[in-house]
Amino acid sequence: AQKITQTQPGMFVQEKEAVTLDCTYDTSDPSYGLFWYKQPSSGEMIFLIYQGSYDQQNATEGRYSLNFQKARKSANLVISASQLGDSAMYFCAMREGDSSYKLIFGSGTRLLVRP
Amino acid sequence: DGGITQSPKYLFRKEGQNVTLSCEQNLNHDAMYWYRQDPGQGLRLIYYSQIVNDFQKGDIAEGYSVSREKKESFPLTVTSAQKNPTAFYLCASLPDHNKGKTFGSGTRLTVV
Repeated sequence: AQKITQTQPGMFVQEKEAVTLDCTYDTSDPSYGLFWYKQPSSGEMIFLIYQGSYDQQNATEGRYSLNFQKARKSANLVISASQLGDSAMYFCAMREGDSSYKLIFGSGTRLLVRP
Repeated sequence: DGGITQSPKYLFRKEGQNVTLSCEQNLNHDAMYWYRQDPGQGLRLIYYSQIVNDFQKGDIAEGYSVSREKKESFPLTVTSAQKNPTAFYLCASLPDHNKGKTFGSGTRLTVV
């Protein structure tokens, strides 16, 4: 079974508008962490935001926020005020357990920001 | 500036040859990782190392080998036993569990 599911292979958004990238996850471990990464065409992975399973509030980092709905097992990334430089692949990832060093990645969503 | 350096950026290999991909970090991170990325896919873990002289297999370790003789270095060897080695390889390091990993810029390996 897929641990991390990103159902949107590609998305368009108009510059300056907000966009939501979907991510659902599956785990039976009560302690886990959720991450979002950006991969521009250059190939490197850029860490954007982190949400712990016990965190009471949704994580925010600048224009990025994570809409964490624990009961639905979803961790959607919201990018506000999209910029042309936001065009990239976006990956959702999960760490299971407190001591695991492993991240499980979804298949990614390609975002294209239109001017 | 601290970071992770992967070399080379592009690598071509003949079938039957072993090749070694370099990964060096000056971030003083204990844990280091190797991932493989195929077109249109997410990342899959090959090997990881939490401390010097210790490493564990990830989900797709067959056909690969690693060493961790120094904290700063975690080279990956793609052996001739790896049946489909053409892929993008990313090295990463991690200061602690609740932080995002720092990634290198990757090595694109092509078998010719």
